[in-house]
Parts: sequence; C-alpha cells; structure tokens
Amino acid sequence: ETGVTQSPTHLIKTRGQQVTLRCSSQSGHNTVSWYQQALGQGPQFIFQYYREEENGRGNFPPRFSGLQFPNYSSELNVNALELDDSALYLCASRIGGTYGYTFGSGTRLTVV
Amino acid sequence: KNQVEQSPQSLIILEGKNCTLQCNYTVSPFSNLRWYKQDTGRGPVSLTIMTFSENTKSNGRYTATLDADTKQSSLHITASQLSDSASYICVVSEGGAGNKLTFGGGTRVLVKP
Repeated sequence: ETGVTQSPTHLIKTRGQQVTLRCSSQSGHNTVSWYQQALGQGPQFIFQYYREEENGRGNFPPRFSGLQFPNYSSELNVNALELDDSALYLCASRIGGTYGYTFGSGTRLTVV
Repeated sequence: KNQVEQSPQSLIILEGKNCTLQCNYTVSPFSNLRWYKQDTGRGPVSLTIMTFSENTKSNGRYTATLDADTKQSSLHITASQLSDSASYICVVSEGGAGNKLTFGGGTRVLVKP
C-alpha cells in the first residue's frame, strides 16, 4: 500500500539510549496509531492520536511517547531503551470515522 | 478482555492447492473485521474488510467469511501461489470513537512448489 511512509527502515541502538521513529501519513489522515510487533507475533497497540491529541493507549510504559503534527506526520519516541524493545514498529493512519487503515512498512529497531 | 485468536499458527501447502485460515474473536462492541497479508519485515496490507452485516467478501483468490453470531471468520485462499507465502493477520476493530484495533497472532503460510 502507498501513502504511509516510515523512517528509518532499520535502526540499531544501545540499551539506555533514546530513539525517535517517524511516520508520514496521507493528507487528510487525521488518526494515526502505532504498534509494536515482536518477531513471529501480531502487532501490539501502543497508542493512537487524533487531531494531534492522544485518544487511546495500550499497555506500554510512559517511556513510550508520541506526537502528531498538523502536516499528518507523527513520531514515536522511546526513552531508556531496553533489549525487549527490539521489534518492528508500525504506524497506521486513516481518516477519522472511516474504516480503512493504511499501514506503513515499519521500522525495524534492534537494541543491543 | 478483547481477544483475537487465529488457527493454525502455521501452514504448509503445495502450490495450486486451497487452504482456509480461521479467526475467532471476543471483541465488543464490534465494528469491523479485516484480514491483512504481511510479508516478513513489512507492514500489513489489507485484503478484505467486513462489517457486521456482511457475510462474505472476495478479493481475487482470497475469500473471507464472517459469522457475527458465533464471532468467527475465515480466510480461504484458492489455487495458492508461491507469492501467497506470508503471515495472514485477522484484525478486529472496536466500535466507538477510538476504533481500537485488536490483532490476532497471525497464521504463517508457506506455499511450496
């Protein structure tokens, strides 16, 4: 699917560092969700933003935080990285009130 | 707790054969159910989406069914091709403003020549 771009595609960080992952959504997609997907498992919901405000959060600690910007881009920030944070991070966006989520290709984060 | 369970966890089929994947869910309130195909290391790509009133939806060789009464769905792949090798994820969306998604663990399909 096109229209949702994530960067970087791959990233290696050291335990304890901080990381920022980015997602650029299609114009008009005012709802964005972030997911963590461990190898071989389904994605786990981290949080969702609607019109630049967080309106849903999964079971992730406060060191996972996010931002959504007026230009339909968003960020996922993770502080104090742990080895278990190694995963594929996906963002998905949609126009609020519609069914169709579009996923990005993900960022593969490896924490060593 | 809202859950989505898929079976089998993995499946090996010969090229040209058919297969059926299962999805059971307990998400409430229910809004819609989607099947996604996910290649390794890539984001999920939507195959079908069904609302409460829809029983069957097709997308090429992929046919999804939904029984909202028993909270079960299936994805049938017809005449499998090598490119069908991927993980297939069932995703159920909650009703309400948040429209939160609950993902199944996926079924990993390997098509062999």
